[in-house]
Amino acid sequence: DIQMTQSPSSLSASVGDRVTITCRASQGITHSLAWYQHKPGSAPNLLVFAASRLESGVPSRFSGSGSGTDFTLTISSLQPEDFATYFCQQYNTFPRTFGQGTRVEMK
Amino acid sequence: QVQLVQSGAEVKKPGASVKVSCKTSGYTFGSYALHWVRQAPGQGFEWMGWISPVNGNAKYSQKFQGRVTVTRDTSANIVYMELTSLRSADTAVYYCVRATMTYYFDYWGQGTQVIVSS
Repeated sequence: DIQMTQSPSSLSASVGDRVTITCRASQGITHSLAWYQHKPGSAPNLLVFAASRLESGVPSRFSGSGSGTDFTLTISSLQPEDFATYFCQQYNTFPRTFGQGTRVEMK
Repeated sequence: QVQLVQSGAEVKKPGASVKVSCKTSGYTFGSYALHWVRQAPGQGFEWMGWISPVNGNAKYSQKFQGRVTVTRDTSANIVYMELTSLRSADTAVYYCVRATMTYYFDYWGQGTQVIVSS
């Protein structure tokens, strides 16, 4: 199975901060990586697919980059509604696997 | 709009089975695969399996092979996930998830809490 290692596991930030979350795959997955936002009690929300393609309706302050084994999700200017957990997922091979998540908290 | 509406919370005893439903709407049922994913308390997400709504072929994670069955009802646009021989470690929120033709997950159900406790 492909292991997805996400870091950090949590971070504290303020509104307006630039936030970067990384995800590393244990083997190459080309561009087959998605990023999701998850708030308690809600379904996860797709942000980025194919490593860098923004899902329709997602604010442009979110961006993704990377290929192969190393990937990054960046929030350019954190907004109050962005405090949530973010996780990555590879869909290159079965079984599909997920990062452990990064909790973004208010500083 | 695309909707995946799951059945309600369940409380089961160890050794029992649970069957969770996922009613889909807002798109052509046969055009998208449906997957099942779970999240145990304090843990990350874990993929369980998927089904092709067209032919009903299902594929499962080795971890759940023999305990999980995913089926679909094409007349009602519903997908089911049954998990047998439940143990406390199966306590989790279970999600049905739609996969696009390029395989990423684009829509998630609201989740179904399953608690396994004696």
